[in-house]
Amino acid sequence: RKEVEQDPGPFNVPEGATVAFNCTYSNSASQSFFWYRQDCRKEPKLLMSVYSSGNEDGRFTAQLNRASQYISLLIRDSKLSDSATYLCVVISGNFNKFYFGSGTKLNVKP
Amino acid sequence: EAGVTQSPTHLIKTRGQQATLRCSPISGHTSVYWYQQALGLGLQFLLWYDEGEERNRGNFPPRFSGRQFPNYSSELNVNALELEDSALYLCASNMGTNYGRDGYTFGSGTRLTVV
Repeated sequence: RKEVEQDPGPFNVPEGATVAFNCTYSNSASQSFFWYRQDCRKEPKLLMSVYSSGNEDGRFTAQLNRASQYISLLIRDSKLSDSATYLCVVISGNFNKFYFGSGTKLNVKP
Repeated sequence: EAGVTQSPTHLIKTRGQQATLRCSPISGHTSVYWYQQALGLGLQFLLWYDEGEERNRGNFPPRFSGRQFPNYSSELNVNALELEDSALYLCASNMGTNYGRDGYTFGSGTRLTVV
């Protein structure tokens, strides 16, 4: 079983829609969680950290469910510019083991 | 503040040759991570250096190696290149072992093409 799993998508949504991605992880001792955004042929860029209490940054909300071992990313009022691949990152083992999901592709259509 | 810088941006090599990729972390960052991203695939962890030492290694053959210099810059060497080594190689940095909670910052990558 992979350490981190994501639905590759693509998720095709109209502008203004709300879309959510999940990312499951296998190591219950995982400590830090992040969402990165990667545009085509570019490097990943940190979108947001995921805190135990959940966190929100504008239209983006990240949540952690330790009991079910998944993190989620919710995007409200989708914009065309949100089209990208969203990668989850899970860090375990005293911050020295980090695993990327293979990414979920989002296409926001006009 | 300069970000993570990688060079060269593109590299074309023939099968069997060696490739050297370079990375300069953000000033103050002591840890450097290398990832491979083949076209259409996810990031695969290669190597992690911190304070000049290799701390962790991904599931790659020994012909993938590297080092970290006293100024915390790093190079990745790939020997005996194979066609499937063609990929985007990304370097990332952060402040070290205890700062994993802060995530890390990526460079824009070196695109290696093996022909």
